[in-house]
Amino acid sequence: DIQMTQSPSSLSASVGDRVTITCQANHDIRNYLNWYQHKPGEAPKLLIYDASVLEAGVPSRFTGSGSGTDFTFTISSLQPEDFATYFCQQYDNLPYTFGQGTKVNIK
Amino acid sequence: EMQLVESGGGLVQPGGSLRLSCAASGFTFRGFEMNWVRQAPGKGLEWLSYISANSDTIHYADSVKGRFTIFRDNAKKSLFLQMDSLRAEDTAVYYCARDARVPLDFWGQGTLVTVSS
Repeated sequence: DIQMTQSPSSLSASVGDRVTITCQANHDIRNYLNWYQHKPGEAPKLLIYDASVLEAGVPSRFTGSGSGTDFTFTISSLQPEDFATYFCQQYDNLPYTFGQGTKVNIK
Repeated sequence: EMQLVESGGGLVQPGGSLRLSCAASGFTFRGFEMNWVRQAPGKGLEWLSYISANSDTIHYADSVKGRFTIFRDNAKKSLFLQMDSLRAEDTAVYYCARDARVPLDFWGQGTLVTVSS
């Protein structure tokens, strides 16, 4: 199975801050990576697919980059509605596997 | 509006069985591959199972192979997960999720399964 290592596990930030999360695969997954936002009691929401493609309707402050084994997710200017947990997921091979998640807290 | 609504969760004793359902609306269910994913308390997400649009291809995670069965009824726009021989470590929120342009592009809100005596 492909292991996804996501960091940090949590962070505290203020509205307007730039936030960066990384995800590393232990095997080349090309660009087959999703990033999601998950709020308690809600369905996880796909934000970025193919490592860098913004899902329709998702604000442009969310960006993704990387390929192979190293990936980065950035929120350019954190908004109040962005406080949530974010996680990466690879789909190069079954079983699909996920990063452990990053909880973004209000500073 | 697209929706996936899971149901069927609850409290079950170790060794027991439970059947989860996922009702789809707002899209052509029969045209999409589907999955089950779970998240145990305090843990990360775990993909469990995949089924193709016409049910001819099915995959399972090793952790549930031989105990869980995925199936679907396209006429009823529903996905199911039959869970047998349940263990305490199966306690989790269970999500159904659709494959479209990419795997797991749209998810339901989940249903909680608790395995405890």
